[in-house]
Amino acid sequence: KNQVEQSPQSLIILEGKNCTLQCNYTVSPFSNLRWYKQDTGRGPVSLTIMTFSENTKSNGRYTATLDADTKQSSLHITASQLSDSASYICVVSASDMRFGAGTRLTVKP
Amino acid sequence: DSGVTQTPKHLITATGQRVTLRCSPRSGDLSVYWYQQSLDQGLQFLIQYYNGEERAKGNILERFSAQQFPDLHSELNLSSLELGDSALYFCASSVRGVGGANTGELFFGEGSRLTVL
Repeated sequence: KNQVEQSPQSLIILEGKNCTLQCNYTVSPFSNLRWYKQDTGRGPVSLTIMTFSENTKSNGRYTATLDADTKQSSLHITASQLSDSASYICVVSASDMRFGAGTRLTVKP
Repeated sequence: DSGVTQTPKHLITATGQRVTLRCSPRSGDLSVYWYQQSLDQGLQFLIQYYNGEERAKGNILERFSAQQFPDLHSELNLSSLELGDSALYFCASSVRGVGGANTGELFFGEGSRLTVL
């Protein structure tokens, strides 16, 4: 069983709408959690990093939350744009890095 | 631009052949990671090197091997290729975290797309 589970597997939304992606993990001990954005056919790029003591962090229209007690993180995208269409990957670091399978987001006009 | 360079960008070869993928990490990064991504699949960790030494192994087949050279560039060798080896192969580099933990941000190259016919 993967120690990092992401949901939903895929998501389609209309341009301008908001959405929230989920990441649940069982990795322990926890060091940090990163969200990466991967455009089709490109390498992933880090969006945010969350450490144990952080609850919320924003990067433009992207806001990540972390609940270390329940081992859950979310990535909220506000006012979506066509360029947000990508896969979003949750990576949890302990002694090594564990990757989620990703959520594929499609933003339609 | 992540600063990680991968070559070649595209490669088409036949079953049974052998190919070598090359990766130059960001300047100053000592860790190099290799990942395989098949069509519409997640990233599968293959292997990690740190300053020339193998540090971690994932789901890497025995037909695959890698090494990191003194100048820190890395090569991934894929032999006896099969149709199922067709995938994007990503290299990433990072500065190793405090205490040796792999907690640093990964910087990915643009990948090498391998097609086995």
